[in-house]
Amino acid sequence: EIVMTQSPATLSVSPGERATLSCRASQSVSSNLAWYQQKPGQAPRLLIYGASTRATGIPARFSGSGSGTEFTLTISSLQSEDFAVYYCQQYNNWPLFGGGTKVEIK
Amino acid sequence: QVQLQQSGPGLVKPSQTLSLTCAISGDSVSSNSAAWNWIRQSPSRGLEWLGRTYYRSKWYNDYAVSVKSRITINPDTSKNQFSLQLNSVTPEDTAVYYCARGVEMATSWGQGTLVTVSS
Repeated sequence: EIVMTQSPATLSVSPGERATLSCRASQSVSSNLAWYQQKPGQAPRLLIYGASTRATGIPARFSGSGSGTEFTLTISSLQSEDFAVYYCQQYNNWPLFGGGTKVEIK
Repeated sequence: QVQLQQSGPGLVKPSQTLSLTCAISGDSVSSNSAAWNWIRQSPSRGLEWLGRTYYRSKWYNDYAVSVKSRITINPDTSKNQFSLQLNSVTPEDTAVYYCARGVEMATSWGQGTLVTVSS
């Protein structure tokens, strides 16, 4: 069974700074990886699919990269609305989420 | 724009059946290009994809191994909605349950329903 590991668990960043989030799969998932953002009390929102394709309406400051087992979500300049929890999800096999990274204000 | 509206009880007794419904607007449950999913989220289990139903000339269902013996997802074409039934629930099934549209990733989500399993 594939295991999705996200790091760090918590990332403290100042507004305007760059945030880099990691997601590792225990075996290759090719480019079948998505990223979601979740704010308190809300459902997750799809940000990225195919490892690097932004979903409709997602700002260009969000970018995804990677393939195989190592993936990165980068937020180039954090805005106040970007402080949230971020999840990766592989869909190479049965859909499976990582444990999440909380991006908090430094 | 697809919208999903969930309904169902927020409290279920242990050993009973959890039942939720997701009404679809802006798309059809019978679409040949969509899948209709149930996902849950709890502090102990994180986000867990439970299963899906979809139509490709006939109806298909896929379920997570962890709940396969207890889960049923059914489409209702007359009401353009789909449902979740989870049998023999225990307190471990306490979670926020979401319905979602998407074949491989979830592109649209319902508002979520907190279901507590308790006597």
